[in-house]
Amino acid sequence: GNSVTQMEGPVTLSEEAFLTINCTYTATGHPSLFWYVQYPGEGLQLLLKATKADDKGSNKGFEATYRKETTSFHLEKGSVQVSDSAVYFCALRSGGSNYKLTFGKGTLLTVNP
Amino acid sequence: GAGVSQTPSNKVTEKGKYVELRCDPISGHTALYWYRQSLGQGPEFLIYFQGTGAADDSGLPNDRFFAVRPEGSVSTLKIQRTERGDSAVYLCASSFSASGGVNEQFFGPGTRLTVL
Repeated sequence: GNSVTQMEGPVTLSEEAFLTINCTYTATGHPSLFWYVQYPGEGLQLLLKATKADDKGSNKGFEATYRKETTSFHLEKGSVQVSDSAVYFCALRSGGSNYKLTFGKGTLLTVNP
Repeated sequence: GAGVSQTPSNKVTEKGKYVELRCDPISGHTALYWYRQSLGQGPEFLIYFQGTGAADDSGLPNDRFFAVRPEGSVSTLKIQRTERGDSAVYLCASSFSASGGVNEQFFGPGTRLTVL
């Protein structure tokens, strides 16, 4: 079956630090990969996605590259801001049930000024 | 524009009671999904509707859980004889379709259910 393993938090950084949140996956077929973000008091929002190997998703300064050889989709940002403080979820969608999202457990990021 | 809305935002009930959780999807979205997020976990799929019919209810944990979408818009998740283990945030999402290029799922803010 499908599964997602992501780096456990919490992660605490200072403003302008470099961010990496690791995500690896197991999936049938050729999954599409996603990062969702949940800001305090808000619903889940799609941050970025990649639908095939070697694709790079990017948004708001965040990037993640679909690495089939390592089954990974690590999230990176070169310089975090206080406003990036949130919970980040790696997710995939694959196989015959390609409407069904499978999520990791989430990583809480806190950025201090 | 209006996003996905869920009511109530919080629900506290006693063990053994019946609860209903409501989801209003984005207008025009034919696909609707329910997920459950337990504390410290990511969301887990419960059920998916295409129009009025439940196309996949394989994620419902047992027969105490049931969901309907009678007119292809608003959906209600119903939980009978609630148990303390049902305490979680219940998330609803909708999309234009379940596949193809317009299948991004938009999530509501969730209903936090607490069973005492």
